Parts: sequence; C-alpha cells; structure tokens
Amino acid sequence: DVKVTQSSRYLVKRTGEKVFLECVQDMDHENMFWYRQDPGLGLRLIYFSYDVKMKEKGDIPEGYSVSREKKERFSLILESASTNQTSMYLCASTKEIGGTNTEAFFGQGTRLTVV
Amino acid sequence: AQKITQTQPGMFVQEKEAVTLDCTYDTSDQSYGLFWYKQPSSGEMIFLIYQGSYDEQNATEGRYSLNFQKARKSANLVISASQLGDSAMYFCAMREGVTAGGYNKLIFGAGTRLAVHP
Repeated sequence: DVKVTQSSRYLVKRTGEKVFLECVQDMDHENMFWYRQDPGLGLRLIYFSYDVKMKEKGDIPEGYSVSREKKERFSLILESASTNQTSMYLCASTKEIGGTNTEAFFGQGTRLTVV
Repeated sequence: AQKITQTQPGMFVQEKEAVTLDCTYDTSDQSYGLFWYKQPSSGEMIFLIYQGSYDEQNATEGRYSLNFQKARKSANLVISASQLGDSAMYFCAMREGVTAGGYNKLIFGAGTRLAVHP
C-alpha cells in the first residue's frame, strides 16, 4: 500500500521559531511537493523537488525553504515562523516516468498554528 | 504562467441527480495532464480521474467523467447519480509535460465544495 507520511498531524509553534515539517514516502517516487491549503485559495505550491538535492520554487516560496537529502524524505522549513503561516500543509509525491499521467499521492496533512 | 480556475466556490445537488463542476486552465504547453481530486471532511486527498491533453476520448471512471474541451481549455468534472458520500471539496489540477531543462510541477485550483442533499 502506497504511503506518504507527514511527521505531525497538528503543530503549535511560536512566532519567530524555526519549524521543520517532515514528509516521507515509501514508493521510490522522484517528485515531491509541498503545498499549503487555505480556505478559498485551494492548494498553493510552495516548493517541489524532482531529485535528491534538487528543488524548484513554486508559487509562494517566500518565508520557506526545503531540503531533500534522501530520495524518500522532503522537509519544509519555516525559517522564522509568522502568524500568516498558520495553515494546513500537505505533502505529495509522484513517479517520474516522462509523462503527465502520474497521479499524486498525498500525506494526511499537518495543521500548523503559529501563535 | 500556469493557472487553474474553478469559478464555483460551492454547489449543491439533490441525491441521484447529476452535477457538473467547472474547471478552466491556462497553459502554453502542448503536453499536459488534468486531474480531479476529492477531499472529504476527513482531509485526505483522493484521486478521481485523469485526462491527457492528447487523449481524444473523454476520461471516465465509474460515475465520474471528464468533459474535456481542449479549444476552450476546460476540463469539467461530471458526477452522475450523486450520492450523499459525494459531499466533499473537489479540486481540479494540472501538470504540464516535461520541457527541456525543466520539470513539471503540479498545480491546483481553489476548489469547489459540493453538498449532496437527500
């Protein structure tokens, strides 16, 4: 059974803290994605990675960074958390087979609250 | 720039009736894929259906079909014979083909919340 696992379901952090959100997939997928989901805005892409140590900015990368040291793990880092980063964060992965027909598999989401 | 537009923030339908959820997209790429996902209140993302830009037939998966109109850049989801369990958030998504030196990202629309009434 395919699986994408996010390290925390709920997280509460203080303003200014450095926050790490971890995502692990066991499907040997090349591509991994981080999104944030806010009401009325849908899923917005923060960063994605298509290979180990490779990353690309998404549509809203400001205030975030990522790390992919191993193929199965993709970390999202909030360098200095702010209240406007309170959101649901979703990790996803896809197989890269040179086409567009590979569905994404999602983690269960992390609801982050910054106080 | 890529863009996915879902113009219906909320829709409701009577049980057993059909419903169409709208999605338009914007891309300059010739090769792309379109997806629909369902997100129930539990929060999980469930893949429903896929349509490739070169596919001549509209995709179908059980009660789900995708009304693909390439010239209009629309990819509407049709749910036939709605069930109470269809009440959820629905997202349209697009993935462009791999281009030279680049890798395809997956982007989503804002979503449509569907409520099925008995």
